[in-house]
This record gives sequence, C-alpha cells and structure tokens, in this order.
Amino acid sequence: EVQLVESGGGLVQPGGSLRLSCAASGFTFSSYSMNWVRQVPGKGLEWLSYLSSSGSTTYYADSVNGRFTISRDNAKNSLSLQMNSLRAEDTAVYYCAREWIYCSGGSCYSSLDYWGQGTLVTVSS
Amino acid sequence: EIVLTQSPGTLSLSPGERATLSCRASQSVSSSYLVWYQQKPGQAPRLLIYGASSRATGIPDRFSGSGSGTDFTLTISRLEPEDFAVYYCQQYGSSPPYTFGQGTKLEIK
Repeated sequence: EVQLVESGGGLVQPGGSLRLSCAASGFTFSSYSMNWVRQVPGKGLEWLSYLSSSGSTTYYADSVNGRFTISRDNAKNSLSLQMNSLRAEDTAVYYCAREWIYCSGGSCYSSLDYWGQGTLVTVSS
Repeated sequence: EIVLTQSPGTLSLSPGERATLSCRASQSVSSSYLVWYQQKPGQAPRLLIYGASSRATGIPDRFSGSGSGTDFTLTISRLEPEDFAVYYCQQYGSSPPYTFGQGTKLEIK
C-alpha cells in the first residue's frame, strides 16, 4: 500500500525556519518525482515545489522561490522541504504528493496520484 | 502561466441529482494534462480523473470528465451522499508544472 506521511509541522515565528519531511513507503520511491502542495485552511490548493526522481531537476512556485528548498534521500525513501524566512502567509497545511506519469497509446498523462495526510505549519509571533 | 477558473464556486444539489462542474483555462490545455481531484473536510485531495476523461483506480462510473482546449467539465451523474465535497481541476504544464483551479464546493441542498 502506498503511504506518504508528512511530519515536522508546528508553530514558528515570522522569519524563522522549519523543515518538513515526507516518509514514503509501499512503492519504489526512487522512480517517482515528488511535489509539495499547500493549502491555507479553508482555501484552495497551491502547488509549491517539484523534484524529479533523481533529484536533478527542481521547480518552485514564485511565492516560495529562494526561501524554500526541496530535497530527497532515495536511500531513505524520504522527501524534505526546508522552509526559511517564513511569513504569516505561509501558514497552511503542507502535503507531499507523488507524481504519476502514465503513457498509453502514444499519449502520456500526468497527475498527483497519492497524497500524504498533511502537516500544519503555523507562522505567528 | 495558465489560470484555471472553476464555476460555480458553490453548487447546491440534492442526492440523486446530476452535478456539472466547469473548469475553464486561460489558454489551451492538453487534455492529457487536465486532472480533477475531490477533497473532503480534513482529508487530502483524492485523484478522480486524469487525462480529462479517464477515471482513476476505484472511482465509480458516476464520475465522468470531458472537454478539450480551454473548457473542461466534471459530471457526477447521480449524486451520492459521499460525493458532497470540494472539487479541484488541475493542469500540468511547463512553468509552473502544476496549476490548480480555485475549487467548486458541492453542498447538499
């Protein structure tokens, strides 16, 4: 069974740092690109960051570029998000999500097929 | 950057009725990369539809997706009590890789 379990959330002061982790199990972690998505309570989903399966390619949303760093340890089946210079507007539930690429009949499809349960980050003094 | 606009913001229907949710893109989107998710309170999003019209594993056939170009639709043929939730469309592109719509809340009338 595929499982993604986030940890590391909590209360942090503005300007502070926090490191989120996502423990993966039930699949070959090193074969999948991974993402972080967040959701302000009561609001919509915001994609934050992408990391390729090998760790060689990263993408970031403009809102976190330069402040957040995504990384992975394929030997430990773990994904991380280092968050620096945190702001009140970073308060949200943070999800890790697996990217699923499926190719059939000459077409390829992409989606986020498995998500963790989320970890809440609260940035407040 | 492609912007996805979902309508309506809230849809009030009764169990057994048909639900039609819209997702409009600011530019043409490849159907291969248009996805729908369902999210219930306190839960992570759940993959419903990929490639605009293919149901994910375990998704009941009352859920269907259609559309192309800039206009996409999620239809729930006969609403069950467990279908009342928030639905998001999402597209996979180049920069940024993923964009979500703002969501449609499907509530019980």
